[in-house]
Amino acid sequence: AQSVTQPDIHITVSEGASLELRCNYSYGATPYLFWYVQSPGQGLQLLLKYFSGDTLVQGIKGFEAEFKRSQSSFNLRKPSVHWSDAAEYFCAVGAQVGEKLTFGTGTRLTIIP
Amino acid sequence: GAVVSQHPSWVICKSGTSVKIECRSLDFQATTMFWYRQFPKQSLMLMATSNEGSKATYEQGVEKDKFLINHASLTLSTLTVTSAHPEDSSFYICSARAGTSPYEQYFGPGTRLTVT
Repeated sequence: AQSVTQPDIHITVSEGASLELRCNYSYGATPYLFWYVQSPGQGLQLLLKYFSGDTLVQGIKGFEAEFKRSQSSFNLRKPSVHWSDAAEYFCAVGAQVGEKLTFGTGTRLTIIP
Repeated sequence: GAVVSQHPSWVICKSGTSVKIECRSLDFQATTMFWYRQFPKQSLMLMATSNEGSKATYEQGVEKDKFLINHASLTLSTLTVTSAHPEDSSFYICSARAGTSPYEQYFGPGTRLTVT
């Protein structure tokens, strides 16, 4: 069975500082990996995804993520956060494109001035 | 881009009543739709997968008779919470998978259900 672990429940970062959100997955084959962002009371917005190819993927809003098979990780990064980045971030894994997703427990990001 | 809508965006109902939530793919045909539930400050948990024209597949522990899912067309799936109770209060999110390549999944904005 596939699973996703997001070790950090809550992270606080100063505006303008760099950010890294951790995600570890467990899956027997090559996973399809996703990062979503959710603002309070809202649905999910896809930030980026990895299916194959280049292990460093670029997403929207200046986010990027790196797939490391040896570490079973897919960490999300941003070089300089903005106050508008405050939200809940979910890492997810799927067996194939468009298949049901297994989500991590999420990381709540707080931005301080 | 592909858009998925949900209606209503929020609903309050009394205990014992039923409530229906609609999930529509507005600009593409969705052969498969997924229904997730999210409790406050928690992650999304898959409830069921619905394929157009066939019965939904429910995840373990989800009551089929309580959460009725219908996927009668390629653009509409409905989730009916029957005999709702306060513990059913949650945020329900649907997603729709396009029927053509690249078969990606798009999420709706969610429906907040409060049962009093």
